[in-house]
Amino acid sequence: EAQVTQNPRYLITVTGKKLTVTCSQNMNHEYMSWYRQDPGLGLRQIYYSMNVEVTDKGDVPEGYKVSRKEKRNFPLILESPSPNQTSLYFCASSSPEGGYTFGSGTRLTVV
Amino acid sequence: LAKTTQPISMDSYEGQEVNITCSHNNIATNDYITWYQQFPSQGPRFIIQGYKTKVTNEVASLFIPADRKSSTLSLPRVSLSDTAVYYCLVVSEAAGNKLTFGGGTRVLVKP
Repeated sequence: EAQVTQNPRYLITVTGKKLTVTCSQNMNHEYMSWYRQDPGLGLRQIYYSMNVEVTDKGDVPEGYKVSRKEKRNFPLILESPSPNQTSLYFCASSSPEGGYTFGSGTRLTVV
Repeated sequence: LAKTTQPISMDSYEGQEVNITCSHNNIATNDYITWYQQFPSQGPRFIIQGYKTKVTNEVASLFIPADRKSSTLSLPRVSLSDTAVYYCLVVSEAAGNKLTFGGGTRVLVKP
């Protein structure tokens, strides 16, 4: 089944403790991206990647890092999480023909 | 990037057809229109996309007039499980096919 898999689904952490949210897709898509969704602010893009070793900032990249060492994986790294990064995070991938596939989401709480 | 405007919410009843109109006055020549559905705490799900005229798939139809300044998503014979937020997006190849989400339309299907 074609899918984007994120882990973990839920995470509670403390301020400053580095964490990584993993994202993997099995569709051989070149394009991958991360979004966060907050009440009243909607879905906003954090980072995206057009291909392996090619990443770029989205609309809200501050406090996040990403890497794209292989086509299928696109982890989101929070080096020093803060409470304002408490959010619902989605990873997505797409093909040049369009049509994004989103993961099931990771609900992150930073206390 | 073309800004989209769609109703904040709509109510309907089971078995009815739901039509959601989105305006995108500043759409560029090479942009295309895409629609996504999102249930609470789940990732958006691709519904349909098109460039002009009419596109139909197994779940919806998309009508785009000749001037392309608006589009209408048509959901035939909705059921309670179609209650969700529906997003209209204009996608620009020049912007790397990035998805920029607006507020969406909250559709409530009543029994």
